[in-house]
Amino acid sequence: DTGVSQNPRHKITKRGQNVTFRCDPISEHNRLYWYRQTLGQGPEFLTYFQNEAQLEKSRLLSDRFSAERPKGSFSTLEIQRTEQGDSAMYLCASSFLLAASGELFFGEGSRLTVL
Amino acid sequence: AQSVTQPDIHITVSEGASLELRCNYSYGATPYLFWYVQSPGQGLQLLLKYFSGDTLVQGIKGFEAEFKRSQSSFNLRKPSVHWSDAAEYFCAVGGFTGGGNKLTFGTGTQLKVEL
Repeated sequence: DTGVSQNPRHKITKRGQNVTFRCDPISEHNRLYWYRQTLGQGPEFLTYFQNEAQLEKSRLLSDRFSAERPKGSFSTLEIQRTEQGDSAMYLCASSFLLAASGELFFGEGSRLTVL
Repeated sequence: AQSVTQPDIHITVSEGASLELRCNYSYGATPYLFWYVQSPGQGLQLLLKYFSGDTLVQGIKGFEAEFKRSQSSFNLRKPSVHWSDAAEYFCAVGGFTGGGNKLTFGTGTQLKVEL
């Protein structure tokens, strides 16, 4: 088990372009979370999935953002018509439904820079 | 709403000195509490967690934290800091609301270690 994997690790794009990030969780984990972290801040919750169902979305997730987890395994986070304010680290985490502690295991993140 | 306050943005300690990082939380029920560490450009690694039982919890790398319900605190301590401990530390609170463990993070404390 190699942990939570995210790619690409870095993405530089021009304003107005679309970008997509992928997250592969730990294989037996059925919950998957997306967080956003801007410079000097802690991670902020965006959305989470239980298996393939998206159960909660933050108000931070504007209409330009969409997340999917089509088969309950990997997930994608797409940002359409990127804006400079979207520049951030996008972190993916996974957890196991029955874990008593609710610990989240994080990937190394995908850093987005919008020029 | 749940929230976390980390009052110290930056802390500098000498190698070998003791360390205490402060964390105060707000949560309506019994909280699940976590400390994560993040090295530059990396994801978050769990140091330790509290969700029940003994209020003094031991973690990796020689860290410990004490849950004090009366003070709504979960301070992180280490008796002797090593240069490799230099990183950013995040306290987080969560709980199983609606089926998902949505963590709320503090803004982090940047630790610098002087040799």
